[in-house]
Amino acid sequence: EAQVTQNPRYLITVTGKKLTVTCSQNMNHEYMSWYRQDPGLGLRQIYYSMNVEVTDKGDVPEGYKVSRKEKRNFPLILESPSPNQTSLYFCASSFEAGRAGSTDTQYFGPGTRLTVL
Amino acid sequence: KQEVTQIPAALSVPEGENLVLNCSFTDSAIYNLQWFRQDPGKGLTSLLLIQSSQREQTSGRLNASLDKSSGRSTLYIAASQPGDSATYLCAVPAGNNRKLIWGLGTSLAVNP
Repeated sequence: EAQVTQNPRYLITVTGKKLTVTCSQNMNHEYMSWYRQDPGLGLRQIYYSMNVEVTDKGDVPEGYKVSRKEKRNFPLILESPSPNQTSLYFCASSFEAGRAGSTDTQYFGPGTRLTVL
Repeated sequence: KQEVTQIPAALSVPEGENLVLNCSFTDSAIYNLQWFRQDPGKGLTSLLLIQSSQREQTSGRLNASLDKSSGRSTLYIAASQPGDSATYLCAVPAGNNRKLIWGLGTSLAVNP
């Protein structure tokens, strides 16, 4: 089954304790992206990747890191989480989103609800 | 700068009703527009994608229309069911097509 998986689905942690949220897709997609969703602000892009070893900042990258060493994986790293990073996080992938004129559908993972105390 | 607005923010209807959800965008130069459904704990599911050259797209009881010149899209749900209860989001790609710009969604409750 074609899917985007995220782990963990729920996480409660404390300020400053490094954490990684994993994202994996099995569709051989080149494009992957991370969003966070907050009440009243909607979904905002954190980082995206056009392909292996190619990543770039989205609208709200502060406090986050990413890496793309393999095509299927795009982990989100919070090196020193703070309470303002409490949010619902979504990973997305697409075959060719990011290319001019692409009309490709994006596929989303189930979300990771993160609480930072 | 592209902005996406969805009205109403919340909607409650009795089962069986036909309903329309609205999405408006400020920049008509879009590649496509997508409608998504968000269920608690189940992530985001793409419902329909309308390409910029299309006027509408249909999937089962769902019909989405696109009027680029007026910056509007509607999602029509026929014969609503309690299982349609969810938040519906619309999104358009940013100018460089490297992210989606989202509305805040319409929270729909279909009452038995």
